[in-house]
Amino acid sequence: AQSVAQPEDQVNVAEGNPLTVKCTYSVSGNPYLFWYVQYPNRGLQFLLKYITGDNLVKGSYGFEAEFNKSQTSFHLKKPSALVSDSALYFCAVRDRNQGGKLIFGQGTELSVKP
Amino acid sequence: DAGVIQSPRHEVTEMGQEVTLRCKPISGHDYLFWYRQTMMRGLELLIYFNNNVPIDDSGMPEDRFSAKMPNASFSTLKIQPSEPRDSAVYFCASSQGGLGAEAFFGQGTRLTVV
Repeated sequence: AQSVAQPEDQVNVAEGNPLTVKCTYSVSGNPYLFWYVQYPNRGLQFLLKYITGDNLVKGSYGFEAEFNKSQTSFHLKKPSALVSDSALYFCAVRDRNQGGKLIFGQGTELSVKP
Repeated sequence: DAGVIQSPRHEVTEMGQEVTLRCKPISGHDYLFWYRQTMMRGLELLIYFNNNVPIDDSGMPEDRFSAKMPNASFSTLKIQPSEPRDSAVYFCASSQGGLGAEAFFGQGTRLTVV
């Protein structure tokens, strides 16, 4: 069965500092990996995805993520955090061998302080 | 396109009553997902459809929950009878173009059962 883990419930970062939100996954086959962001009282918004090819993928708002197959990780990163990046971040996975099932991690609350 | 449309946005009902949540996916999308979000459980996949056919309903918590997709442009999630522990935000999402495609989320329905 596929699964996603986000080991940190909360990440605190000072504005201007780099940020990392961690994600690890478990699938039987090769994964499709996604990051989403959720602002208060809103639905989830897509940030970026890994399908194949280059392990470093770039997405919206300056975010990027690195796919590491040996560590089964897909950490979200940003070189310089903004206060407006404060939100709830979700990692998600689709297993190519499990049809279209899209599973999400528990979410990580990112807080960026001025 | 107006995106994924969910109705109602808010629903307050009494325990024991039937509740129906509605979703209109983005036109042309062939996958539709229903999720439930709570503080305790995070974002849970309840059921998903492909081309209007339910593929996996293993996340549906009890027989009180049922979902239908009578056509490509409409889906319902029904709870009968409702209980206070069903209180949550319910999201619908849709995607198109294969397993590597990102899903687009509606704004959610906040359900309160009193």
